[in-house]
Amino acid sequence: DIQMTQSPSTLSASVGDRVTITCRASQSMSSLLAWYQQKPGKAPKLLIYKTSTLQSGVPSRFSGSGSGTEFTLTISGLQPDDFATYYCQQYNSYPLTFGQGTKVEIK
Amino acid sequence: QVQLVQSGAEVKTPGASVKVSCKSSGYTFTDYHMHWVRQAPGKGLEWMGWINLNSGDTNYAQTFQGRVAMTRDTSITTAYMEVRGLTSDDTAVYYCARRRVGTPIDYWGQGTLVTVSS
Repeated sequence: DIQMTQSPSTLSASVGDRVTITCRASQSMSSLLAWYQQKPGKAPKLLIYKTSTLQSGVPSRFSGSGSGTEFTLTISGLQPDDFATYYCQQYNSYPLTFGQGTKVEIK
Repeated sequence: QVQLVQSGAEVKTPGASVKVSCKSSGYTFTDYHMHWVRQAPGKGLEWMGWINLNSGDTNYAQTFQGRVAMTRDTSITTAYMEVRGLTSDDTAVYYCARRRVGTPIDYWGQGTLVTVSS
């Protein structure tokens, strides 16, 4: 199984900040890595897939990069609507696995 | 538009079973797999398995082998997920979510809260 480890677990930031979340895989994998945003009481929402492809309708301030075992999600210019929990997920192989989540809080 | 609408919240006693439904609309049902993911209160996302909505083939996470069953009824474009032998550790929100092979999970149901309590 591919284990996904996100860091940090919690991130305090201000509106307008650039924030970066890292996701590390326990073994080298393909580019089949997705990022989801989840708000309290809601289902996750797909933001980025195949490491760096923006899902339709997602603002361009979200970007993804990485390869091998290290992947990142960057939010350039944090907006009030972006305060949420973010999860990475590998869909390279079964079982599908998620990172433990990164909560982006208001500083 | 794509919609996955799940059944309502359930309260069960330990040892009981629960069956959650997930009604799809707005897309060709049999072109996709339906995955199930659960989230315990305050915790992260845990993948449970999937069902091929065309063939009915299933693939369950090892954690749930022998205790979960995923089925579907193509005539009413509805997928089901049953968990048997519930314990308090199964208290969680259960989500259905669609996926095509090689692509990410892109649409999710609204979630169904299952509470296991004596």
